[in-house]
Amino acid sequence: DIQMTQSPPSLSASVGDRVTITCRASQGISSHLNWYQQKPGKVPKLLIFAASSLQGGVPSRLSGSGSGTDFTLTISRLQPEDFAVYYCQQTYSTPRTFGQGTKVEMK
Amino acid sequence: QVQLQESGPGLVKPSETLSLTCTVSGASTNFFYWSWIRQPAGKGLEWIGRMYNTGSTDYSPSLKSRMSMSLDTSKNHFSLNLTSVTAADTAVYYCARELAVSGTRALDVWGQGILVTVSS
Repeated sequence: DIQMTQSPPSLSASVGDRVTITCRASQGISSHLNWYQQKPGKVPKLLIFAASSLQGGVPSRLSGSGSGTDFTLTISRLQPEDFAVYYCQQTYSTPRTFGQGTKVEMK
Repeated sequence: QVQLQESGPGLVKPSETLSLTCTVSGASTNFFYWSWIRQPAGKGLEWIGRMYNTGSTDYSPSLKSRMSMSLDTSKNHFSLNLTSVTAADTAVYYCARELAVSGTRALDVWGQGILVTVSS
């Protein structure tokens, strides 16, 4: 199985901050990397697919980059609605695997 | 608009079988991979498995010996069976569509989730 490791597990930030979350795969996965956002009590929502493509309706302050084993999710100017848990997921092979999540909290 | 809705018992006794159904509207189960994901309270997402209409399945190795998935295209729904459940199987179970997009795949539509508690 491909292991996905996110860092940090949590972070505190303020509205307007630039936030970066990292996801590392235990082996190369090309660009088969997706990012999801989950708010408390809510369903996970697809934000970014293929490492860097924004899902429809997702604001452009979110961006993804990376290829191979190292990936990042960046929120350029954090907004109140961005406080949530973010998960990466690889779809290079089965079993699909998720990172453990990164909680973005208000400072 | 594609929508998914999980259904099934919210309480299952230990050692019994957990059975869930996901009803799809707005899309045909003849296409796409259909997936199950679960999330224990306060924890992360765990991929359970996926199925295509050809009968092709992929299961999590940790659950493979206890699980099966099926798909009924006439009813446009798919199902999950998990046998010999324990408290460790208590979680919110989500169904989702795995879409082929830009040369990769992603879970683009999710059900609302159903809480299944394993307890006597």
